[in-house]
Amino acid sequence: GEDVEQSLFLSVREGDSSVINCTYTDSSSTYLYWYKQEPGAGLQLLTYIFSNMDMKQDQRLTVLLNKKDKHLSLRIADTQTGDSAIYFCAESIPNFGNEKLTFGTGTRLTIIP
Amino acid sequence: NAGVTQTPKFQVLKTGQSMTLQCAQDMNHEYMSWYRQDPGMGLRLIHYSVGAGITDQGEVPNGYNVSRSTTEDFPLRLLSAAPSQTSVYFCASSYRQGTEAFFGQGTRLTVV
Repeated sequence: GEDVEQSLFLSVREGDSSVINCTYTDSSSTYLYWYKQEPGAGLQLLTYIFSNMDMKQDQRLTVLLNKKDKHLSLRIADTQTGDSAIYFCAESIPNFGNEKLTFGTGTRLTIIP
Repeated sequence: NAGVTQTPKFQVLKTGQSMTLQCAQDMNHEYMSWYRQDPGMGLRLIHYSVGAGITDQGEVPNGYNVSRSTTEDFPLRLLSAAPSQTSVYFCASSYRQGTEAFFGQGTRLTVV
């Protein structure tokens, strides 16, 4: 079955790096996504990684994928107050010609001044 | 470019009332879906549609109906609201199922 798990909360000091972790159970995932949800808003795609990649870097964001352990992480360098949000990981799973998107529970990132 | 538009943003219902949450997208996406977001439970899929005239149930479909008469619109109907349906509802669309999803701003529904 498919299950995507994340820690519910993370607090980080401004200027430090934030690392948000995600584990998933379905090894047939094709894409893995990170979405950001700011207060009172919908989810916005932050970045994604194809399942045959180990790492993807995009400015302050680094995504690491360990397929053996089914572990995905999002590192935010030099965390700023504007990074305060809930971060969701999601996996895309093949489903008889239609892929299925399954979301994790979300991690609320709080920035400490 | 409006993207995905949801209305209303807030709604309070009494138990037993019915209502329709509206969702429209202007990106010509085939795939549309409805999620509910509850604390500590992430997003759970209610219903989805892979194209006009085609709908299917997601993870938590009970108490909700959908229809997809056009590519643009995907309304969600609550037939007889219950307090357990108090939640934040998000509509999303994507080019096809499993690809990047674009979300609306959400509807915060309270059932008293």
